[in-house]
Amino acid sequence: DSGVTQTPKHLITATGQRVTLRCSPRSGDLSVYWYQQSLDQGLQFLIQYYNGEERAKGNILERFSAQQFPDLHSELNLSSLELGDSALYFCASSPSGPNGNTIYFGEGSWLTVV
Amino acid sequence: AQKVTQAQTEISVVEKEDVTLDCVYETRDTTYYLFWYKQPPSGELVFLIRRNSFDEQNEISGRYSWNFQKSTSSFNFTITASQVVDSAVYFCALSEAVSSNDMRFGAGTRLTVKP
Repeated sequence: DSGVTQTPKHLITATGQRVTLRCSPRSGDLSVYWYQQSLDQGLQFLIQYYNGEERAKGNILERFSAQQFPDLHSELNLSSLELGDSALYFCASSPSGPNGNTIYFGEGSWLTVV
Repeated sequence: AQKVTQAQTEISVVEKEDVTLDCVYETRDTTYYLFWYKQPPSGELVFLIRRNSFDEQNEISGRYSWNFQKSTSSFNFTITASQVVDSAVYFCALSEAVSSNDMRFGAGTRLTVKP
């Protein structure tokens, strides 16, 4: 158990809909990351937040958005869903300091768009 | 630009065999970090090890060992006396910064250990 909690674990929704994935980082971790894992694209970095502020953006679509709240939990919002958005979405967190680039992943949220 | 290559897409072994998963990386930085993660069939990504570029000592943790060779830009992972529970996809990753947003993952190697 990495200490990163993600909900829901599984989600099935229709095209055009909007979903929200939720993440609680490990206790004490200020950085939160979102990754997408699909069969054709592999593991793709989407976005990083640090203590409530956006730190870096990766291959995140404009239909997707994220935020990190004062209690450090984070949400990833996916809207106008398409079939190709079906994937495993990971949240991860990392500690501050010299081990700041060791990322600990949650169990992932399986999203199926039908 | 950084790049991680895991040339072995799939490996199948019989239980108790030793197996080595290859990882070759490219980077222009002198300071970088290498990682291995395990993804079992249940889907979660489990952190196994982090190694920085200044520490070339090999590491052993139980049946797992890692061989870091800067001369060949490789960071290989060996499982000794493999077990069925080792069946998973294993990812090698590279980060050029303490802030991980630049972490680049390899495509992964699917290891199947047959009883």
